[in-house]
Amino acid sequence: QQQVKQSPQSLIVQKGGISIINCAYENTAFDYFPWYQQFPGKGPALLIAIRPDVSEKKEGRFTISFNKSAKQFSLHIMDSQPGDSATYFCAASIAGGTSYGKLTFGQGTILTVHP
Amino acid sequence: EAQVTQNPRYLITVTGKKLTVTCSQNMNHEYMSWYRQDPGLGLRQIYYSMNVEVTDKGDVPEGYKVSRKEKRNFPLILESPSPNQTSLYFCASRPLGGAPGEQYFGPGTRLTVT
Repeated sequence: QQQVKQSPQSLIVQKGGISIINCAYENTAFDYFPWYQQFPGKGPALLIAIRPDVSEKKEGRFTISFNKSAKQFSLHIMDSQPGDSATYFCAASIAGGTSYGKLTFGQGTILTVHP
Repeated sequence: EAQVTQNPRYLITVTGKKLTVTCSQNMNHEYMSWYRQDPGLGLRQIYYSMNVEVTDKGDVPEGYKVSRKEKRNFPLILESPSPNQTSLYFCASRPLGGAPGEQYFGPGTRLTVT
């Protein structure tokens, strides 16, 4: 079963708008939540990550919001630009333990930002 | 330049013909892993390795083999490929003491099995 569920599958936003991608997880042992950005023909690259001891983390135009009680986290892209058009993956991990930080990925969201 | 390389980038093969996808990293990372990416399923881990001669199954290991004889290399072997192994494959590496998300991904290998 999919332990991390991501929505929407695709998203179209106008330049300057806000892009929001949501993820929900089931395993309460997850304690590390990264987001990846993937351009066509490339491998995913770490964009931003959060641990559950904070409810929000911001890096430039990218913000992760985290709701531990709801087991949900989301990526907000402010002032979206055409160069942000890519596939975004959320993921979850148990940082320690026997899984050695194995990542469980969401299904991915294809973001298109129109000029 | 720090990087993970994969070869080949594209491969079309027939059912049952053994193939190997190579993966190499130049960052002296202990942890390496293989993922497959399928539409609507995201990335799923196939195998991972903590260090030389230490490998273990991920979520979807059936039909795949790996080996880790050298720290820098982690080849993925398909002994008898089948059409359901048509997918986009990524190799990744990270230092064992690093955060789980700090993985460096290769450029991907698109495999088609007919």
